[in-house]
Amino acid sequence: EVQLVESGGGLVQPGGSLRLSCAASGFTFSSHWMHWVRQTPGKGLVWVAHINGDGSPTSYADSVKGRFTISRDNVKNTLYLQMNSLRGEDTAVYYCGRGGKPVAIDYWGQGTLVTVSS
Amino acid sequence: QSALTQPPSASGSPGQSVTISCTGTSSDVGGYDYVSWYQQHPGKAPRLMIYEVSKRPSGVPDRFSGSKSGNTASLTVSGLQAEDEADYYCSSYAGSNTLYVFGTGTKVTVL
Repeated sequence: EVQLVESGGGLVQPGGSLRLSCAASGFTFSSHWMHWVRQTPGKGLVWVAHINGDGSPTSYADSVKGRFTISRDNVKNTLYLQMNSLRGEDTAVYYCGRGGKPVAIDYWGQGTLVTVSS
Repeated sequence: QSALTQPPSASGSPGQSVTISCTGTSSDVGGYDYVSWYQQHPGKAPRLMIYEVSKRPSGVPDRFSGSKSGNTASLTVSGLQAEDEADYYCSSYAGSNTLYVFGTGTKVTVL
């Protein structure tokens, strides 16, 4: 059974940093693109970043480019999102997802809430 | 890159059909056959319902179908059931710079 479990969310001050993790199991992690998608409470989904199975290439939404870094450890079967210079508008539930279908996310984690506030 | 445009709400009685539109541009929906649809119940993670415009992952009922014409994609839910009440989001590939864009979301209510 495919499982994705996010962790690392919490309350952080503006300008601060946070690292999210997504532990994957039930599939060959290194064979899949992986994504981060966020959702502001009560609003829609926004794609944040993705990473190839080998760790490169990576791509980012313009709103996080230069501040967020996606990475992966194929030995630990874990996806990461390093978030720096956080802003209030980064407040959201962050989901990790598996790119199991062409340009589609076929499995999602349960999400982790990031709140940026002073 | 702007979000794809979906109607805020749609509704139907049990057994009826409802169709949700997803309008983009020639740079996303109209330019690629990579439209996906996701279902999201309150407090839950999204679930993939359709990919590559009209393909269903295993386990998705055949009551769900997708199509595309020009810059507009559509999701049709036939034979509405109570459990279909949820938010639905479309998504499209948008090229090598922007990559992916989601729709604004549609809340489907089963009357």
